[in-house]
Amino acid sequence: DAMVIQNPRYQVTQFGKPVTLSCSQTLNHNVMYWYQQKSSQAPKLLFHYYDKDFNNEADTPDNFQSRRPNTSFCFLDIRSPGLGDAAMYLCATSKQAGGGETQYFGPGTRLLVL
Amino acid sequence: EDQVTQSPEALRLQEGESSSLNCSYTVSGLRGLFWYRQDPGKGPEFLFTLYSAGEEKEKERLKATLTKKESFLHITAPKPEDSATYLCAVQIPQGAQKLVFGQGTRLTINP
Repeated sequence: DAMVIQNPRYQVTQFGKPVTLSCSQTLNHNVMYWYQQKSSQAPKLLFHYYDKDFNNEADTPDNFQSRRPNTSFCFLDIRSPGLGDAAMYLCATSKQAGGGETQYFGPGTRLLVL
Repeated sequence: EDQVTQSPEALRLQEGESSSLNCSYTVSGLRGLFWYRQDPGKGPEFLFTLYSAGEEKEKERLKATLTKKESFLHITAPKPEDSATYLCAVQIPQGAQKLVFGQGTRLTINP
């Protein structure tokens, strides 16, 4: 089945130690998104790639970076995680960037910062 | 400012007790309204997309409706497996399909 895959499902890191989260998709979608969801809160968009074009949200901290080496994979890098970065990180994809396209989410990676 | 408000925050029902969840929105230029289901510790699962006022979509015990200011997710004769958080999101014409999410309604169905 076509899907969005995130690895690892759980990630523990230390305060200030760089961490990378991974997302892959078999849907062959052009757009990939990263969301942050803190406990009992709504998902918040961090950035997205439309093909190779990177689009950052204005309020995304500089501590968060992303890479998309090919259509199937996208990475979220947190350069110096703080305690406030502990959250569920969700990857999503959509076929195109036009209006009305559905976003499909992966299972998420829960990040714990010690 | 684009806003999405869901009510109630939490809802407990007995199995078989029908009810509705509300999503009210104030956005400029709605491109679509989406309903997702999210189980604890998992990513949101897509349920419905609604594009214009008057539109309705159904799937099993769920039915979503849309007006110019709000959407309802009606759940008929729910079962315990329908327990989850239901998220509403609106798509606005900013960047590539920016979704603005509501806080969600945490639904619990007691057997």
